[in-house]
Amino acid sequence: NAGVTQTPKFRVLKTGQSMTLLCAQDMNHEYMYWYRQDPGMGLRLIHYSVGEGTTAKGEVPDGYNVSRLKKQNFLLGLESAAPSQTSVYFCASSYHSGLEQFFGPGTRLTVL
Amino acid sequence: TQLLEQSPQFLSIQEGENLTVYCNSSSVFSSLQWYRQEPGEGPVLLVTVVTGGEVKKLKRLTFQFGDARKDSSLHITAAQPGDTGLYLCAGAGNNAGNMLTFGGGTRLMVKP
Repeated sequence: NAGVTQTPKFRVLKTGQSMTLLCAQDMNHEYMYWYRQDPGMGLRLIHYSVGEGTTAKGEVPDGYNVSRLKKQNFLLGLESAAPSQTSVYFCASSYHSGLEQFFGPGTRLTVL
Repeated sequence: TQLLEQSPQFLSIQEGENLTVYCNSSSVFSSLQWYRQEPGEGPVLLVTVVTGGEVKKLKRLTFQFGDARKDSSLHITAAQPGDTGLYLCAGAGNNAGNMLTFGGGTRLMVKP
């Protein structure tokens, strides 16, 4: 089992460019999450999904969109990247809310 | 101000020393999780505490959940270089979606 995988691992964007971060899990988890991690801020929830075809806003959703067309995949999109979106992005999944979350290795994004 | 405050933010100690990391909040949580994150990787769950006053031991690590379920501590005995990493606490059960709320983290460095 690969667990949770994320692509790409690193990316540099120019302000205004768009991109999609891909997350896949092979544990048949219903819940999936996208976080951003900034120094001293811990993990902040961007969007989450409670099942295939559903999405919901987290703590810091502005500037991001998500889609969950298949149960195993959760996509995070940046339509017009801004320097404030420079961060490390983590995808996670869990069997149910409030339970152990399994994290991917992260994507380091720099927006110039 | 974060809902879960961790202290200290940074800790650098010598191998063999003991240390305690704190996770405090004014909110009540139904459970609290502790994760460890190594550089370039995602967080990995160490333990979940559920009952107020609960104490759990994991080899040299001792976790305690406060009686009022508002705070928690992690004590490491005889720290080793392998304990180096970012320690994150995360509370569940204080919002409508039962999403985890993460603290800002404690970065620990254990020098040989």
